[in-house]
Amino acid sequence: QKEVEQDPGPLSVPEGAIVSLNCTYSNSAFQYFMWYRQYSRKGPELLMYTYSSGNKEDGRFTAQVDKSSKYISLFIRDSQPSDSATYLCAMSAKAAGNKLTFGGGTRVLVKP
Amino acid sequence: SAVISQKPSRDICQRGTSLTIQCQVDSQVTMMFWYRQQPGQSLTLIATANQGSEATYESGFVIDKFPISRPNLTFSTLTVSNMSPEDSSIYLCSVSGGGKNIQYFGAGTRLSVL
Repeated sequence: QKEVEQDPGPLSVPEGAIVSLNCTYSNSAFQYFMWYRQYSRKGPELLMYTYSSGNKEDGRFTAQVDKSSKYISLFIRDSQPSDSATYLCAMSAKAAGNKLTFGGGTRVLVKP
Repeated sequence: SAVISQKPSRDICQRGTSLTIQCQVDSQVTMMFWYRQQPGQSLTLIATANQGSEATYESGFVIDKFPISRPNLTFSTLTVSNMSPEDSSIYLCSVSGGGKNIQYFGAGTRLSVL
């Protein structure tokens, strides 16, 4: 079993819909949680960063962390075709320094 | 966030040759990382490059195959040695910064080995 599980998709939604992404993990030591967006032929771009449990909102993006369930989510409101990309969750534990463990990524397609 | 430049952006190489990938950052950073991303896959950490010390390699990656240099706080190189078609992948460098467990990535080097 992988340390971080993420549905590979693809997830296809109409423009304007809410995109819901999630990851589950097994390592209870993870404290730092990130979402990256990766366009084709580009490097990952940091979208959201959350420390420990709770919610964080930034524009159309909301990240949620539920440490008790070992479950994190990313919501994209009012989705646009430009949101079509692969979304990667990543997380790390304080004891591991800055090493990140990535999920497999979910491919999202927003159709106009 | 740091601005990270990777060179080359892509290359096509012959089996048995070596390729050195460069990673330049616009500010001084303590830790730099090298990842491999195989087609349709997520990122796998190859090694952590610390200035002034040997790189720390992850399980399954060895220095003879992926030698790394880190001569200063803004630059690192990764060499893919004695390449085979199985080495065809995207290689990414990243840096950590801001006192948080966050990493910022370069655009990657797309390598094809024939």
